[in-house]
Amino acid sequence: QSVLTQPPSVSGAPGQRVTISCTGSSSNIGAYDVHWYRQLPGTAPKLLIYGNSNRPSGVPDRFSGSKSGTSASLAITGLQAEDEADYYCQSYDSSLSGYVFGTGTKVTVL
Amino acid sequence: QVQLVESGGGVVQPGRSLRLSCAASGFTFSNYGMHWVRQAPGKGLEWVAVISYDGHIQYYADSVKGRFTISRDNSKNTLYLQMNSLRPEDTAVFYCARADGWYMDYWGQGTLVTVSS
Repeated sequence: QSVLTQPPSVSGAPGQRVTISCTGSSSNIGAYDVHWYRQLPGTAPKLLIYGNSNRPSGVPDRFSGSKSGTSASLAITGLQAEDEADYYCQSYDSSLSGYVFGTGTKVTVL
Repeated sequence: QVQLVESGGGVVQPGRSLRLSCAASGFTFSNYGMHWVRQAPGKGLEWVAVISYDGHIQYYADSVKGRFTISRDNSKNTLYLQMNSLRPEDTAVFYCARADGWYMDYWGQGTLVTVSS
């Protein structure tokens, strides 16, 4: 029962742009940063975006993040076959006094 | 390079206990907080617990509070998760992850815990 809501799936053709939304509330996204992780099939999650819009070293600039109010989004431009994975947003929730993940979004490259 | 290696998973009966370990290398372990995050089969990520760099502060998800205990031994560069009174719904892959501010910057490969009679 995640408090952060993501669309179950998004898809796009190679080269296209897709976006993934992450909707929360004032006790989480509205007050704290959002971070994004990518989980390739059968592997551990990997940090993709931190602090709403920052990319760790090695993450291509095809990935970008933004936050507004109680929602955040991840954009992938120039979609590639290797981008097929599950993507999760994450924040902190003051009402729960704990960290929270989004419900997860499966990206499919058509 | 940062490396986190979990161990200790396996099959356990409901109500029994299990202790997971996470061996850290490639960074100064005693400088970082650490998390446990789990993922039930075919499901999403669920945060379990976090411990401060010195082990003095711990926080838990409501779903495991009172049953799980996170701890660390900085002399051994190792993180632990003691899991008691295990339930079938605790079946999951358990990941340890390094805390960097409010996010997890490095993750281990995970260890599978199956709670079944």
